[in-house]
Amino acid sequence: AQSVTQLDSQVPVFEEAPVELRCNYSSSVSVYLFWYVQYPNQGLQLLLKYLSGSTLVKGINGFEAEFNKSQTSFHLRKPSVHISDTAEYFCAVSENSGYSTLTFGKGTMLLVSP
Amino acid sequence: EPEVTQTPSHQVTQMGQEVILRCVPISNHLYFYWYRQILGQKVEFLVSFYNNEISEKSEIFDDQFSVERPDGSNFTLKIRSTKLEDSAMYFCASSRQGEVRGYTFGSGTRLTVV
Repeated sequence: AQSVTQLDSQVPVFEEAPVELRCNYSSSVSVYLFWYVQYPNQGLQLLLKYLSGSTLVKGINGFEAEFNKSQTSFHLRKPSVHISDTAEYFCAVSENSGYSTLTFGKGTMLLVSP
Repeated sequence: EPEVTQTPSHQVTQMGQEVILRCVPISNHLYFYWYRQILGQKVEFLVSFYNNEISEKSEIFDDQFSVERPDGSNFTLKIRSTKLEDSAMYFCASSRQGEVRGYTFGSGTRLTVV
């Protein structure tokens, strides 16, 4: 079984500042890792995913994440945020068998202010 | 871009009533899923469905719940005799080949049981 911990429930940040949203996972098997974003009144949208290969993964809207196996982390970063990045961000993990289900973290609300 | 469509976006129901949440998956997808998120908690897997039968379900998915693909396009989640603790956001997802990396989520149905 897997689990995901997102330590920060809310991250306030000023526009154009850098941001890091933290995600740690635990699993007894190799995993796939995902970040989803949920804008207000919208569904879950895939931001980026790590399946294999390079540990630095680039996603949409200028976000990137780095898979660190030794620290079992998959932190999400953006060098300069916009007001429009205000949303809930969910980290998720699945076994890398491909057909397993997703296990989500509790989510981190990113609040970008002018 | 193809979308997973969920209706209604909001549903309010009285405790003890039955509700049906509807989803229209992407047309060439073969695997269907329901997840839910109780306010302030993690997104949790409920059930997966393939070839007109349940392929996997979580402990949450007890006899109160059922899923059905009544025609070629809809995928429904029925909750019998709703309880206050069923209040949550319910997300439908579909994938073409069952691999978690190919999920597409819908925008969700917010169910409020009063």
